[in-house]
Amino acid sequence: NAGVTQTPKFQVLKTGQSMTLQCAQDMNHEYMSWYRQDPGMGLRLIHYSVGAGITDQGEVPNGYNVSRSTTEDFPLRLLSAAPSQTSVYFCASSYRTGAGQPQHFGDGTRLSIL
Amino acid sequence: GENVEQHPSTLSVQEGDSAVIKCTYSDSASNYFPWYKQELGKGPQLIIDIRSNVGEKKDQRIAVTLNKTAKHFSLHITETQPEDSAVYFCAATRLSGYSTLTFGKGTMLLVSP
Repeated sequence: NAGVTQTPKFQVLKTGQSMTLQCAQDMNHEYMSWYRQDPGMGLRLIHYSVGAGITDQGEVPNGYNVSRSTTEDFPLRLLSAAPSQTSVYFCASSYRTGAGQPQHFGDGTRLSIL
Repeated sequence: GENVEQHPSTLSVQEGDSAVIKCTYSDSASNYFPWYKQELGKGPQLIIDIRSNVGEKKDQRIAVTLNKTAKHFSLHITETQPEDSAVYFCAATRLSGYSTLTFGKGTMLLVSP
């Protein structure tokens, strides 16, 4: 098993550009989520999904869109990138809903917005 | 919502010493408290967790204690080794429904040989 795979690992964008961060898991996990990690801020939840076709907002959803058409994939879209979205983004998955289940994290996407 | 405070933000110890990281939470209904370790360039990885029906849990050199009355929990690492150097995150949530994890801001642990 590859676990949770995030692509790309690094990306530089200009303000106003759009892009999609990819996340795929091969563990048949129901629950997937996206976090951003900023210095001194810890991990903050952006969006999460409890199954295909079901998504919900986390703590910091503004500026981001998600969809979940398959169990395996959970892409995160930035529609119009802003410098405040410069961060390290982590995707995570777990067997069932997040509560009480070990979260399996990918190795992150480091995103810089100029 | 839940709020998790974590201290200290950085911790430097000598190899072989013990390290303690402390967290407090605000939601008295939270009943699941995991700890994650993040090595440089990697995603966080679960190292130990505790549920509110126990006060302490150990796994080799790592232990977690929980004080529900005071709403705080701690990570204890004994006989630290250089490979323990990492960022450690505590988290809290309710074991019900579609509850999500709330993380602390992290502690960078540096273990010097």
